[in-house]
Amino acid sequence: DQQVKQNSPSLSVQEGRISILNCDYTNSMFDYFLWYKKYPAEGPTFLISISSIKDKNEDGRFTVFLNKSAKHLSLHIVPSQPGDSAVYFCAASAYNDYKLSFGAGTTVTVRA
Amino acid sequence: DAGITQSPRHKVTETGTPVTLRCHQTENHRYMYWYRQDPGHGLRLIHYSYGVKDTDKGEVSDGYSVSRSKTEDFLLTLESATSSQTSVYFCAIRRDEKDYEQYFGPGTRLTVT
Repeated sequence: DQQVKQNSPSLSVQEGRISILNCDYTNSMFDYFLWYKKYPAEGPTFLISISSIKDKNEDGRFTVFLNKSAKHLSLHIVPSQPGDSAVYFCAASAYNDYKLSFGAGTTVTVRA
Repeated sequence: DAGITQSPRHKVTETGTPVTLRCHQTENHRYMYWYRQDPGHGLRLIHYSYGVKDTDKGEVSDGYSVSRSKTEDFLLTLESATSSQTSVYFCAIRRDEKDYEQYFGPGTRLTVT
């Protein structure tokens, strides 16, 4: 049973607007969350992360929000650019665990 | 660049044949991982290693074995390939034991006919 869920397989957004990607998790032991970006024919690349002691982490155009009570996190990309078109994976880990659990991914398409 | 190479990058093989994929890192990291990526499933952990000769199963380990005889190489073997093992395989390393981030190689596309 998948413990990390990305319920939107795809998202289309106009260049310059905000992209919002959502992720839900079921395992209450998860306390560290990550987002990865993947282009076709390449490996995933780490984008941004957040610890459960925070509810927001920002890095340039990328902000991750964590709502622990709802077991939900989201990634905001502002403003969206054509180079942001990719597959985005949400991942989670429990404290001191060496493994990551990934969601199924959301394909983002940024329209000019 | 995570200093990870995977070989081969593409392979087509027949059902029932053995296949070995290689992951090579240049930075002597302790933790290495093998994942497979399939549509609708994201990345699923097959096996991982926490040191030379120290390995453990992930969530989709059936039909796969691994070996790590030296720090820099982590091998994934399909003893008898099946069509359900057609996938893209990624190797990853964990650079810092204090951090959770993993860094991925470029992937191997395997087709089992």
